[in-house]
Amino acid sequence: AQSVAQPEDQVNVAEGNPLTVKCTYSVSGNPYLFWYVQYPNRGLQFLLKYITGDNLVKGSYGFEAEFNKSQTSFHLKKPSALVSDSALYFCAVSPPGSARQLTFGSGTQLTVLP
Amino acid sequence: GAGVSQSPSNKVTEKGKDVELRCDPISGHTALYWYRQSLGQGLEFLIYFQGNSAPDKSGLPSDRFSAERTGGSVSTLTIQRTQQEDSAVYLCASSLDFLSGNTIYFGEGSWLTVV
Repeated sequence: AQSVAQPEDQVNVAEGNPLTVKCTYSVSGNPYLFWYVQYPNRGLQFLLKYITGDNLVKGSYGFEAEFNKSQTSFHLKKPSALVSDSALYFCAVSPPGSARQLTFGSGTQLTVLP
Repeated sequence: GAGVSQSPSNKVTEKGKDVELRCDPISGHTALYWYRQSLGQGLEFLIYFQGNSAPDKSGLPSDRFSAERTGGSVSTLTIQRTQQEDSAVYLCASSLDFLSGNTIYFGEGSWLTVV
């Protein structure tokens, strides 16, 4: 069975500084990896995904994530944080095959301080 | 529609009553999912529909929960004899098909409060 770990429940960063939200995974075979963001009282919005190819994936709102197979990580990054980036971020993984097996991490609350 | 549509957006119900939550997936998406997000918790898979195949009900927490999908499109999640622990956000999602590389798109959720 696959699993996702988001080791930090809370990440605080000053506006304008780079941000990183960490994610590690465990899955059999090559993983499909996703990041979603949830703003207060809203549903989940898709940010980006890694399926194959370039390890650096670029997504919405200036976010990017780097797939590192040896470290089984898929950290979310942004060069310069905005206050409006403050939200709950979820990492998710599925093995090749059925999307039914998509497993989410517990989420990381990102707060960008003005 | 442009996105996954859920209704009602908010529902307050008395303990013991039945509730129905509706989901209208993105047009053309054959896979539909229901998740539950309790306060301060992650996402809990409930049920999955793929085309005309039998649904995967393995995540339903009790027999008070059921879901159907009519005509391969709209889905209804029904909770019978609601309990306070059923209070949560119920998120519906859809994807083009069941293949795991396809992005799953979520609706805004139905916020259920059982009093």
